[in-house]
Amino acid sequence: SQKIEQNSEALNIQEGKTATLTCNYTNYSPAYLQWYRQDPGRGPVFLLLIRENEKEKRKERLKVTFDTTLKQSLFHITASQPADSATYLCAPYNNDMRFGAGTRLTVKP
Amino acid sequence: NAGVTQTPKFRVLKTGQSMTLLCAQDMNHEYMYWYRQDPGMGLRLIHYSVGEGTTAKGEVPDGYNVSRLKKQNFLLGLESAAPSQTSVYFCASNIGQYTEAFFGQGTRLTVV
Repeated sequence: SQKIEQNSEALNIQEGKTATLTCNYTNYSPAYLQWYRQDPGRGPVFLLLIRENEKEKRKERLKVTFDTTLKQSLFHITASQPADSATYLCAPYNNDMRFGAGTRLTVKP
Repeated sequence: NAGVTQTPKFRVLKTGQSMTLLCAQDMNHEYMYWYRQDPGMGLRLIHYSVGEGTTAKGEVPDGYNVSRLKKQNFLLGLESAAPSQTSVYFCASNIGQYTEAFFGQGTRLTVV
């Protein structure tokens, strides 16, 4: 069956460091993959979309990679700030939009 | 431009009662989705629609029904609520594939 796994439930890093979040999928051939941010009590908010023929996408301090051979996407936040603390969700798209369980990132000052 | 609006925001139901959650979007989006979110489980897709008059099952459709009679509205129904359906429900919409989705603010449903 299709499975989406995000590397860890929680990730704690120091302000200024780079946060790297992982999304792995199995029994999937997604045409594209999205990353969303969710704050407590709120709905997810779109961050980035990367297509299967794209290796990397950047937006300000965010970078996403997509490796269809490894069936993996990496999401990086450089120069992290406490305001980046949130849960990050990946969503590989294959006929419908399903999400991983998310990684809760905490950036400590 | 309100985006995606969910009604109601909170609801408490007794086991066996029925109710309908309404999702309305004013962005002329074709695709709409219903999810439930439980602690540690992430968002799980219940049903979705790729256009007016169409619906399809997601990961966890049992116990729920949906209708998309108008393009702007996507209704999620619980015919006989069970405590296992206690959750936060999110609706989302997008224009179609390869586009970002917009989410509503969520509906917190408790079944006692």
